[in-house]
Amino acid sequence: GESVGLHLPTLSVQEGDNSIINCAYSNSASDYFIWYKQESGKGPQFIIDIRSNMDKRQGQRVTVLLNKTVKHLSLQIAATQPGDSAVYFCAEGYSTLTFGKGTMLLVSP
Amino acid sequence: DSGVTQTPKHLITATGQRVTLRCSPRSGDLSVYWYQQSLDQGLQFLIQYYNGEERAKGNILERFSAQQFPDLHSELNLSSLELGDSALYFCASSAGTAALVNSPLHFGNGTRLTVT
Repeated sequence: GESVGLHLPTLSVQEGDNSIINCAYSNSASDYFIWYKQESGKGPQFIIDIRSNMDKRQGQRVTVLLNKTVKHLSLQIAATQPGDSAVYFCAEGYSTLTFGKGTMLLVSP
Repeated sequence: DSGVTQTPKHLITATGQRVTLRCSPRSGDLSVYWYQQSLDQGLQFLIQYYNGEERAKGNILERFSAQQFPDLHSELNLSSLELGDSALYFCASSAGTAALVNSPLHFGNGTRLTVT
């Protein structure tokens, strides 16, 4: 049959806004979490990671928050720029790295 | 640049054929992972090798196989190709040595396979 495209949730923001991308993970045994950015025609690019013994970690313009109680992960991007436009994936790590479905971030100037 | 090299970038072949995708990991990384990315399934883990040995297996079809060579490069072999095998195939490498994932995977830019 005809394959259906993966309908990604989309977050549209204005340049300079802060962006928050959310992710729910499934395995309560996962103890390592990563955010990736994927631009068209490229492989996923590592942004930031966090281990389960932490609930917050900051990088350059990015912050990852982990809530193990509700199995929720979020990526905050400060002062979003047009170059941040991409698909963002969260991934949970245990024996392997399992990816979420992704969120498309669109940044307009 | 992640340091992971995949060849070829594009591959077009017919149903029933066999292809080999090649991956060179980052210098020093012993772990290699293969993922398939299709429009309707997202990024799916196929298989992992660590220092030449298979370490973990995901949703890999029996028609697919992989290996990691002594120089640590890896190949993914896809045989009896079907239209549904058309996808992006990514290789990733990691410096992690533990059985559990605890360090980032670094991805190449993938091989786009089109089966006609």
